[in-house]
Amino acid sequence: GQQVMQIPQYQHVQEGEDFTTYCNSSTTLSNIQWYKQRPGGHPVFLIQLVKSGEVKKQKRLTFQFGEAKKNSSLHITATQTTDVGTYFCAGRTSYDKVIFGPGTSLSVIP
Amino acid sequence: DVKVTQSSRYLVKRTGEKVFLECVQDMDHENMFWYRQDPGLGLRLIYFSYDVKMKEKGDIPEGYSVSREKKERFSLILESASTNQTSMYLCASSFGQAPYNEQFFGPGTRLTVL
Repeated sequence: GQQVMQIPQYQHVQEGEDFTTYCNSSTTLSNIQWYKQRPGGHPVFLIQLVKSGEVKKQKRLTFQFGEAKKNSSLHITATQTTDVGTYFCAGRTSYDKVIFGPGTSLSVIP
Repeated sequence: DVKVTQSSRYLVKRTGEKVFLECVQDMDHENMFWYRQDPGLGLRLIYFSYDVKMKEKGDIPEGYSVSREKKERFSLILESASTNQTSMYLCASSFGQAPYNEQFFGPGTRLTVL
């Protein structure tokens, strides 16, 4: 069946280091969304990407959608302790289903 | 602000009990969803509803049913709870005619089945 995978599963970084999580789909996606879940919290929508090769920025966060619309990445520049949490991608498939990836859990060491 | 509320943050039930999880949203959203979240597996869709009295099975509907009698309320029912249904349950809602718009999540209910 259709799958959305994320790597890495866990990432520990020193505060100030950069961080990247990758989202890969087995099939072409119509769009991709990114969510952040703080420890003990619920997922909160960050952004949606729709176009092939699209790049969007939110302050220190950079989101990319691959040219083939089968992968995406989230890059955080100079991580801060407020960036701690689990980052999920969610892809919309050709069958109009939304499939969440398993998430990447980010820890930031002060 | 969109608000999605869930009836309980924590719930402890015994095997075989019937369990009701309630979700209410206050933004007149058409779509509502129930997910379960387990470590390493992310969010898995149980059921969703795109209109009152309408429901669609998600990826893991076995052992669950849902009810949507009013637009703002979406209930998840475990007819006979089992230990493998111990999990975090998240409700979400989204606007529009399609289920793939931005989803707003509730705080979650951590269910333990003993």
